[in-house]
Amino acid sequence: GAVVSQHPSRVICKSGTSVKIECRSLDFQATTMFWYRQFPKQSLMLMATSNEGSKATYEQGVEKDKFLINHASLTLSTLTVTSAHPEDSSFYICSAREFGGNYGYTFGSGTRLTVV
Amino acid sequence: DQQVKQNSPSLSVQEGRISILNCDYTNSMFDYFLWYKKYPAEGPTFLISISSIKDKNEDGRFTVFLNKSAKHLSLHIVPSQPGDSAVYFCAASRRPGTASKLTFGTGTRLQVTL
Repeated sequence: GAVVSQHPSRVICKSGTSVKIECRSLDFQATTMFWYRQFPKQSLMLMATSNEGSKATYEQGVEKDKFLINHASLTLSTLTVTSAHPEDSSFYICSAREFGGNYGYTFGSGTRLTVV
Repeated sequence: DQQVKQNSPSLSVQEGRISILNCDYTNSMFDYFLWYKKYPAEGPTFLISISSIKDKNEDGRFTVFLNKSAKHLSLHIVPSQPGDSAVYFCAASRRPGTASKLTFGTGTRLQVTL
């Protein structure tokens, strides 16, 4: 079945630094990937839709200059949290859907970001 | 505005019995619905889906029912097993296209007891 690999699984960074999270579709091509954020005991909130070869589409309230998304190839999307602050600490998850698949979106294993 | 709601934050069911998880939505444009299972610090795992042209879809122990007029769907797990203990999210989208985004519910924590 479709597999999405997300790396790193856990990262701790200092305030003011930037962190890059990678999302790869291992056995299929994904023209579109999605980035979510989950706060403890809350739902998954869509941050942005990552489009291969073009700019990402951000949800209302998400700062595009803070959460930089690059989708340079059909198998890789990256999310960079720039100038991270403690309130950016969260669980970030990417997902992708294989075209022609069973309409189930495949999710990465998530990245726990802690900003200290 | 929470367009997809799961009003029960938690549910406890005895092993072997049926687990019924409920989900309500408000956006009538949604026409594709999915259920996911999630463990802490992991990504959601796809369980089962249903399109609005159906009212029932079954896959092994999992059955999803859709009542469009009530904007309500439910996931039935029977028989429930201890390994089913996790947080379950329902999600909805407007159409099952590759670029269609999912809107998630708030989740229900299922505990299957021995």
